[in-house]
Amino acid sequence: KAGVTQTPRYLIKTRGQQVTLSCSPISGHRSVSWYQQTPGQGLQFLFEYFSETQRNKGNFPGRFSGRQFSNSRSEMNVSTLELGDSALYLCATRGLANTGELFFGEGSRLTVL
Amino acid sequence: AQKITQTQPGMFVQEKEAVTLDCTYDTSDPSYGLFWYKQPSSGEMIFLIYQGSYDQQNATEGRYSLNFQKARKSANLVISASQLGDSAMYFCAMRDVTGANSKLTFGKGITLSVRP
Repeated sequence: KAGVTQTPRYLIKTRGQQVTLSCSPISGHRSVSWYQQTPGQGLQFLFEYFSETQRNKGNFPGRFSGRQFSNSRSEMNVSTLELGDSALYLCATRGLANTGELFFGEGSRLTVL
Repeated sequence: AQKITQTQPGMFVQEKEAVTLDCTYDTSDPSYGLFWYKQPSSGEMIFLIYQGSYDQQNATEGRYSLNFQKARKSANLVISASQLGDSAMYFCAMRDVTGANSKLTFGKGITLSVRP
């Protein structure tokens, strides 16, 4: 059973550019969440999508957006990149068990120069 | 609001010994779930163990067990018989289980190094 797949794994952008990250969930998983991980702030929740609808949103500026497609794949976009957006962006899908554990991808490491 | 606190500095343990990683939490939700995740240098977060707030017994999964003390609001992870592959960052996390959302609130994490 394939795990959560995130692409690209590594990317370098410059300030002011925009970036799109992709996440393919485990087959059958319909909930996709995104987290930002930085050394200073740790892991912070960005947003969650379920059946193509945003179900929950963290405290991030509007430059951060996302969407989910009918096949449950999700993308997140960051516009007008800032140096502080350099981070590991993790995608997670929710398991089918009642415990609701999340299954994470290996992340997309974004460096903004 | 939910809060997870992990204050231990980097932890070291000898191979084959047991180690306890501390986690305290704060929430006003009556129903919640507590999770531990392992993050090796590759970046992927690996689910280890889950404890529900109403579970009467401490959770166990192989070499992992969770020492859940509800009154003290602590959920410490115990790793028995440490292995070199256990060297990683460990995160404690919490979720409100009354709603449908999947949002996890994470602690800052603890670095564990296993010495041969």
